[in-house]
Amino acid sequence: ETGVTQSPTHLIKTRGQQVTLRCSSQSGHNTVSWYQQALGQGPQFIFQYYREEENGRGNFPPRFSGLQFPNYSSELNVNALELDDSALYLCASNSGNTIYFGEGSWLTVV
Amino acid sequence: GEDVEQSLFLSVREGDSSVINCTYTDSSSTYLYWYKQEPGAGLQLLTYIFSNMDMKQDQRLTVLLNKKDKHLSLRIADTQTGDSAIYFCAGTNYGGSQGNLIFGKGTKLSVKP
Repeated sequence: ETGVTQSPTHLIKTRGQQVTLRCSSQSGHNTVSWYQQALGQGPQFIFQYYREEENGRGNFPPRFSGLQFPNYSSELNVNALELDDSALYLCASNSGNTIYFGEGSWLTVV
Repeated sequence: GEDVEQSLFLSVREGDSSVINCTYTDSSSTYLYWYKQEPGAGLQLLTYIFSNMDMKQDQRLTVLLNKKDKHLSLRIADTQTGDSAIYFCAGTNYGGSQGNLIFGKGTKLSVKP
């Protein structure tokens, strides 16, 4: 039990649409990160939030954005979806050095 | 930046030991992690090691770190069919942010009965 829950588990969107993915982590886990995992690849870092401020970003365009809330929940928003955005999106939270992942949200863009 | 490489496949017989290897490029990586991913699931944290340690043991798992060669390995003793999964090695990048992990492409472990 990682204490990190994500929703929805699966969703299908059309190219050009927008999507919001949600993550809830344990109380006290002040850092949350989002990763994109394409089929057959390792996860790629999208960005990280610490105490509701963006605290690092990977090589993803600005149409990938996020929010972190005081109740340890967070969101990943993706605008103008492209076919290549189809992937598993993973949320991770950590307190100190232990980094836990959720089960992910599978996004398919058609 | 950091680059992490792993061999893609490993096949062992049930009861044997499995050794999954990983190399990384950034010598300033402070923490190195091993995760397990079963089909259709998220990542399960197995263990992690500080860069000032050479070895860490946790039940059937043994992690060895050779900082000079930038080589990390995960040994699974008495491998079971339930250990069949993809194993990812990951390290922090030189920015040092603990949540910013750089992953390898994963090693698919197949355990034959």
